[in-house]
Amino acid sequence: SQTIHQWPATLVQPVGSPLSLECTVEGTSNPNLYWYRQAAGRGLQLLFYSVGIGQISSEVPQNLSASRPQDRQFILSSKKLLLSDSGFYLCAWRTNTEAFFGQGTRLTVV
Amino acid sequence: SQELEQSPQSLIVQEGKNLTINCTSSKTLYGLYWYKQKYGEGLIFLMMLQKGGEEKSHEKITAKLDEKKQQSSLHITASQPSHAGIYLCGAPNYNTDKLIFGTGTRLQVFP
Repeated sequence: SQTIHQWPATLVQPVGSPLSLECTVEGTSNPNLYWYRQAAGRGLQLLFYSVGIGQISSEVPQNLSASRPQDRQFILSSKKLLLSDSGFYLCAWRTNTEAFFGQGTRLTVV
Repeated sequence: SQELEQSPQSLIVQEGKNLTINCTSSKTLYGLYWYKQKYGEGLIFLMMLQKGGEEKSHEKITAKLDEKKQQSSLHITASQPSHAGIYLCGAPNYNTDKLIFGTGTRLQVFP
């Protein structure tokens, strides 16, 4: 079956610390993968998407980066977190009929 | 770049009332997803519309795609407190594989 795993569920990090959020997909190959950020009660802002290994498209210039080291693995990173990086981060992959989402990571930068 | 605008941004209705949420695209739609989200949780897939004029239902929720208007509407009949949450529309971009989402509509249903 098709599943998507995202971890951790919650994270509290100090300003200036690094970040690594991981997303893995099961039950498919060569998926289109996406990272989103959501402000409280708002829509989803597309941060990065990838159509294949090593192929990353960035939508919003900021201090975040993404990598896809394996076909079904998508990683969101930062070398130094800012307060403004706080938010709810969601990973997703898409088929022709549905987009599957992870459970999200609530990141609080303090 | 393509943008999806949802209206209204926020909606408060009494239980039992009908309501409609709209999602309007700045560019041609090649399909549209509807999701529901409880605050702080993941997204729950409601349905996907792929053709102009297509209409689908999920329990008491019905959505329709109007390609000419570049718009989709989501209609809830006889709303219940369980319908409360944030409703999001999403659209794939035919040329770039992007998947963008709307600004969200926050629905509250009171008894």
